Amino acid sequence: QVQLVQSGAEVKKPGASVKVSCKASGYTFTSYGISWVRQAPGQGLEWMGWISAYNGNTNYAQKLQGRVTMTTDTSTSTAYMELRSLRSDDTAVYYCARDGVYSGSYGGYYFDYWGQGTLVTVSS
Amino acid sequence: EIVMTQSPATLSVSPGERATLSCRASQSVSSNLAWYQQKPGQAPRLLIYGASTRATGIPARFSGSGSGTEFTLTISSLQSEDFAVYYCQQYNNWPPNTFGQGTKLEIK
Repeated sequence: QVQLVQSGAEVKKPGASVKVSCKASGYTFTSYGISWVRQAPGQGLEWMGWISAYNGNTNYAQKLQGRVTMTTDTSTSTAYMELRSLRSDDTAVYYCARDGVYSGSYGGYYFDYWGQGTLVTVSS
Repeated sequence: EIVMTQSPATLSVSPGERATLSCRASQSVSSNLAWYQQKPGQAPRLLIYGASTRATGIPARFSGSGSGTEFTLTISSLQSEDFAVYYCQQYNNWPPNTFGQGTKLEIK
């Protein structure tokens, strides 16, 4: 069965960086893109960006451009999201989510499988 | 960027009754609209995609309708496990994917 398993909770100081991993199993990793979605405490869902596991193409939310980098390691079927220059309003649960459609270089889809979420707390 | 607006923010319904949740897009998204259910401490779960197609394993009491800018999620007979927050998401104009702010469905 399809599973996305994320790395554990992180506590970071303002200005630091965090890198969250998302290990996929149960499907051909390179056939589906991965998006990252975050959710601040008590708030809604915010799309952060997308990466093609097929060719590494990325597309980031405009507000995060310059601070976020998404990568994949096809040898381990793992996607990564790094966020730099952390601020207190980056405190959130970060989810990886798989495209619901077999995809290559396009990421405009719904999400059929989600990781369990990783809590990132930014506090001095 | 397309803005998705859900209403109401909170909906109080008794078990066994019907619940109707609305989602409006700031411009047409055709039928490229998904609905998710999220329970406390859990990741969202895909319910509906293509505005009206149930995802694998989703009970028939969940149905979606609409196209263009107006969409509805209907839960025909509420079960205890259906009380949760529901989000709509458009994927017609990408990037970005955009979500509504959510509707909390609570027990009356």
